[in-house]
Amino acid sequence: DTAVSQTPKYLVTQMGNDKSIKCEQNLGHDTMYWYKQDSKKFLKIMFSYNNKELIINETVPNRFSPKSPDKAHLNLHINSLELGDSAVYFCASSQAGVSYNSPLHFGNGTRLTVT
Amino acid sequence: GEDVEQSLFLSVREGDSSVINCTYTDSSSTYLYWYKQEPGAGLQLLTYIFSNMDMKQDQRLTVLLNKKDKHLSLRIADTQTGDSAIYFCAERKFAGNTGKLIFGQGTTLQVKP
Repeated sequence: DTAVSQTPKYLVTQMGNDKSIKCEQNLGHDTMYWYKQDSKKFLKIMFSYNNKELIINETVPNRFSPKSPDKAHLNLHINSLELGDSAVYFCASSQAGVSYNSPLHFGNGTRLTVT
Repeated sequence: GEDVEQSLFLSVREGDSSVINCTYTDSSSTYLYWYKQEPGAGLQLLTYIFSNMDMKQDQRLTVLLNKKDKHLSLRIADTQTGDSAIYFCAERKFAGNTGKLIFGQGTTLQVKP
């Protein structure tokens, strides 16, 4: 009964391939996020969806396309993978509303290695 | 800018106190958080503080907030080897009708027996 679960945990693929990472949360939250953690452990937000609507789209290449079929799911599809895409991708969820405490709950990450 | 700054590394002996420091940029941030990341794992929420508070204590953890200097610290009392991990501070910022967390670079805490 993991709160935020991502699949797969590890993903090794070659340059130029297309791959997807899936995320599901069972916390009843209405906002979901994708974060990227690079080799220096720096965490940067990529996308955020609130009630299936894209809210945040940071400066991310068009090759990255998030999809949220419902509030509990947020998937990330990556086209034409490049070496620089190698990182750990974290999914997170929270309850919307900036005026009260709503911490992010993170999944365990997907380690993507592009060779 | 959106930079949240932390020192990268801290080494302490078991039983000592650890103090991890963080500076943030946005004075309108409502909540500030501390997360812990163990090797190969996701980020685990440790504690948080609301911006109108100066201090919050939670068992071995003490958070101090100096809003004037935009400085946040996490003190871990009686540090144990199991506390070895990367610690991230984060500030919550407005983003549409939701918020987003901006993270520091993380401080690697090494606890020596």
